[in-house]
Amino acid sequence: QQQVKQSPQSLIVQKGGISIINCAYENTAFDYFPWYQQFPGKGPALLIAIRPDVSEKKEGRFTISFNKSAKQFSLHIMDSQPGDSATYFCAASVNTGFQKLVFGTGTRLLVSP
Amino acid sequence: SQTIHQWPATLVQPVGSPLSLECTVEGTSNPNLYWYRQAAGRGLQLLFYSIGIDQISSEVPQNLSASRPQDRQFILSSKKLLLSDSGFYLCAWSVPLTSGNTIYFGEGSWLTVV
Repeated sequence: QQQVKQSPQSLIVQKGGISIINCAYENTAFDYFPWYQQFPGKGPALLIAIRPDVSEKKEGRFTISFNKSAKQFSLHIMDSQPGDSATYFCAASVNTGFQKLVFGTGTRLLVSP
Repeated sequence: SQTIHQWPATLVQPVGSPLSLECTVEGTSNPNLYWYRQAAGRGLQLLFYSIGIDQISSEVPQNLSASRPQDRQFILSSKKLLLSDSGFYLCAWSVPLTSGNTIYFGEGSWLTVV
């Protein structure tokens, strides 16, 4: 019940295209859903995050769509660029006053020129 | 501004040897501290977390231990490394007592056990 399932495992998108990564969860107590971006050899960095009281959040080319009833959320990267090539992790946590994130298994995105 | 330092960046250790990875956070007080492990091609697994000095919680039974001798220092240790301990180890921190706060990761330490 603590798992976050992420798909696809890898993704190749042409420059200018839309990259879509999906995640699903079971624990309805999760109330914070961040996405992290990780470049090779580096630590993950927060990209964008959402709470379940909204269905969508947009920051620049990055958008999170959240479907509470389906217990799913997704990351959309519009106008994908080669510089977006990285591994993306979705995550979820419960409001316990302590940030204990459960991570998905990651999606390796390659944006071809 | 807050920064997190983690070292060493890479190390190759023989099976059965000890391990010590260190992490310090600057620019904040009483942070929550974390150790994660990332195996090749896999997600991030939470190993330990700490809400204060000498307050360590372990998430999974394993060959590793953690200590927090000072407020902003977090150490990952092993007395005898196993081949399965190889991986990318990440220290991280977050502001305490508030949910939905960002976890900030360090640059990571690559450990290869041979």
